[in-house]
Amino acid sequence: GQQVMQIPQYQHVQEGEDFTTYCNSSTTLSNIQWYKQRPGGHPVFLIQLVKSGEVKKQKRLTFQFGEAKKNSSLHITATQTTDVGTYFCAGRAGNNRKLIWGLGTSLAVNP
Amino acid sequence: NAGVTQTPKFQVLKTGQSMTLQCAQDMNHNSMYWYRQDPGMGLRLIYYSASEGTTDKGEVPNGYNVSRLNKREFSLRLESAAPSQTSVYFCASSEGGDGYTFGSGTRLTVV
Repeated sequence: GQQVMQIPQYQHVQEGEDFTTYCNSSTTLSNIQWYKQRPGGHPVFLIQLVKSGEVKKQKRLTFQFGEAKKNSSLHITATQTTDVGTYFCAGRAGNNRKLIWGLGTSLAVNP
Repeated sequence: NAGVTQTPKFQVLKTGQSMTLQCAQDMNHNSMYWYRQDPGMGLRLIYYSASEGTTDKGEVPNGYNVSRLNKREFSLRLESAAPSQTSVYFCASSEGGDGYTFGSGTRLTVV
């Protein structure tokens, strides 16, 4: 079936270091979404990418959608302790209403 | 603007007991979803409702039933709880292809 693989599973960084998580799909996606879940919290929608090669920025966060629309990345510049949490990607294939979720990357930031 | 409201926040059940998890959204979204989240398993879709009056099975529907009571409310029922249903349950809603808005979750323990 359709799968979205997310790597790494865990990442520990020192505050101020950069962080990147990658999402790879087995099929072409019509769009991809990114969510953040703080420890003990619920997923919160961050952004959606739709176009091939699209790049979007939110302050220190940079999101990219691959040219083939099968992979995506989230890069955080100069991590802060407030960035701690699990980052999920989720994509749609074709007109399917349901999202295909990655298993998430858990980010720990040492102050 | 409350978003998505889930009740209860915590629940302990004995094996074989039944209960209903309630979810309501005030954003006039057409689509609503029930997910469960277990360590290392990510978010798994139990049931979803693309619009009022329709419901469909997700990845892990066994042991659950749902009711889309009206456009605002989507409930999840466990008829005979089992320890394997110990999990965190999230309700979410969305409109069209937009990002999902999640409720704060129900932490369910079945003993």
